[in-house]
Amino acid sequence: AQKITQTQPGMFVQEKEAVTLDCTYDTSDQSYGLFWYKQPSSGEMIFLIYQGSYDEQNATEGRYSLNFQKARKSANLVISASQLGDSAMYFCAMRLMTTDSWGKLQFGAGTQVVVTP
Amino acid sequence: KAGVTQTPRYLIKTRGQQVTLSCSPISGHRSVSWYQQTPGQGLQFLFEYFSETQRNKGNFPGRFSGRQFSNSRSEMNVSTLELGDSALYLCASSLAGAGVETQYFGPGTRLLVL
Repeated sequence: AQKITQTQPGMFVQEKEAVTLDCTYDTSDQSYGLFWYKQPSSGEMIFLIYQGSYDEQNATEGRYSLNFQKARKSANLVISASQLGDSAMYFCAMRLMTTDSWGKLQFGAGTQVVVTP
Repeated sequence: KAGVTQTPRYLIKTRGQQVTLSCSPISGHRSVSWYQQTPGQGLQFLFEYFSETQRNKGNFPGRFSGRQFSNSRSEMNVSTLELGDSALYLCASSLAGAGVETQYFGPGTRLLVL
């Protein structure tokens, strides 16, 4: 069964600094997608970035980049130039891809990020 | 394009009652999934609907059920509510076409069972 592990329950980061959120995953499947979501205190889950298992380049989306190391089964999120609005819970998630559809999103426990002035 | 909408946003029920939550996906999205989020269990998958058919199901008791209509809107129903059903219920939609299937979430329904 697939599993997502986020070992950092929480972290503080200063405004304008970069922060790396760790995520490791466990699956024996070859086809899968890795996703990062942000959840502010309001509750809505906001999609940030996606990395496919066959993608050779690391994904980037604005200030977000994903450090994908397939052999180590890790998909760390890097947020550059942190802003106060980045304070939120961040979830790493994985979906397996079958021949004709995608499976459920499996989430990690999340990392609470607090950005300080 | 409007995002995923969920109604109601907040709900208070008592044990034994039943509840129906509604989700309208992003226009053009054909797949709708439901997740339950609690402090103790985190985010757990309930079920996914595609073209009015349940495509995937999580490990929840039969008290949790759902359906999808021809316009892709979805409802989930919880019968005989228990205190442990208090949670944030999140709905997510995706295109269900070729390529990456990113799920986009709604604001959630916060259910409190007393």
